[in-house]
Amino acid sequence: GAGVSQTPSNKVTEKGKYVELRCDPISGHTALYWYRQSLGQGPEFLIYFQGTGAADDSGLPNDRFFAVRPEGSVSTLKIQRTERGDSAVYLCASSLTSGGISGANVLTFGAGSRLTVL
Amino acid sequence: AQSVAQPEDQVNVAEGNPLTVKCTYSVSGNPYLFWYVQYPNRGLQFLLKYITGDNLVKGSYGFEAEFNKSQTSFHLKKPSALVSDSALYFCAVSPGGGYNKLIFGAGTRLAVHP
Repeated sequence: GAGVSQTPSNKVTEKGKYVELRCDPISGHTALYWYRQSLGQGPEFLIYFQGTGAADDSGLPNDRFFAVRPEGSVSTLKIQRTERGDSAVYLCASSLTSGGISGANVLTFGAGSRLTVL
Repeated sequence: AQSVAQPEDQVNVAEGNPLTVKCTYSVSGNPYLFWYVQYPNRGLQFLLKYITGDNLVKGSYGFEAEFNKSQTSFHLKKPSALVSDSALYFCAVSPGGGYNKLIFGAGTRLAVHP
């Protein structure tokens, strides 16, 4: 597609429920990133995929969070047993490639999925 | 620890006046530096980046930024502000040499008044 698409745009759930957030990156972009933006803060890195594999998941806050990208395109961020503190906007971004000078590749962000845990 | 600081929560400027949004960073090595802008209900949009070379970089919508290695700063500037520039601005740094594990500042809200 023309841009990074994220669904749903808004998700309201109850504490303890399971949530999936989907990201459809720009076609041909091999690198995909998930960030989390809490109110009044800048985005925080969660996980990075190069192709199908998670190359760096050091930003995932705990084992309730998991992400997959089985075919190297669409990615799903999965949150188990949601807590009120998980409420935030989850941002997905993609770029052409990564590594070396291409670590300076521009990230294209989606509009985000706003998660509210009641 | 690696970090980015945007010391001003909000910057107010009159339309037509020059604007500056400040950013300082603490990263080892030679970082890559970025500015992104966020409009309500829209994704972050890239404005400009510094990789190497000329310390003054020019970007979208008439914005520019100056890299100052000795002061570890990367302030965003525009000679003449527009009301439509009002938005949330984020400075970000990539430690360099690898992928874009961007470290973002907390953001500065720019309000341009007619």
